[in-house]
Amino acid sequence: QKEVEQDPGPLSVPEGAIVSLNCTYSNSAFQYFMWYRQYSRKGPELLMYTYSSGNKEDGRFTAQVDKSSKYISLFIRDSQPSDSATYLCAMSLNQAGTALIFGKGTTLSVSS
Amino acid sequence: GAGVSQTPSNKVTEKGKYVELRCDPISGHTALYWYRQSLGQGPEFLIYFQGTGAADDSGLPNDRFFAVRPEGSVSTLKIQRTERGDSAVYLCASSLSSNQPQHFGDGTRLSIL
Repeated sequence: QKEVEQDPGPLSVPEGAIVSLNCTYSNSAFQYFMWYRQYSRKGPELLMYTYSSGNKEDGRFTAQVDKSSKYISLFIRDSQPSDSATYLCAMSLNQAGTALIFGKGTTLSVSS
Repeated sequence: GAGVSQTPSNKVTEKGKYVELRCDPISGHTALYWYRQSLGQGPEFLIYFQGTGAADDSGLPNDRFFAVRPEGSVSTLKIQRTERGDSAVYLCASSLSSNQPQHFGDGTRLSIL
């Protein structure tokens, strides 16, 4: 079992839909949780950065962390064609200088 | 503003050759990371620098891989005796300090023929 599991999709939705992306993990020591967006042939771009359990909202994006279930989610409201990309969850044990452990990424396609 | 810059963007070489991949971090960022991303996978950690020293090299797959950051800014990832299995996108990330989020470059796409 990999440390971080993420359904690779692909996930296809119409413009304006609410998108839910999820990851599960096995190491209960993870404390920091991130979501990155990666366009084709580009590097990962940081979207959300959260610590421990709870919700964090930034514009159309909401990140949720449930440490008791070892489950994290990213919600995208009013999805746009420009949101079409691969979404990677990542997590780390500590904040300071620690390697990020990534999921495989979920490919999202938003059609207009 | 300038982000993390990686050169070359693409590198094609023959099995057994030596390659060097360069990373210019965001100005002022003291922490620098190398990752490797294979097709359909998330990035996998290779090595982390804080300043000039390698603070964690536990992700380097074997002794053919080596990285340096002599002046605490630019870093070079070096691969000796390349193998076809080394083909991947090599990503560099930097952060303002070791307790800040990591920001990635667009990577070097390495192909070993």
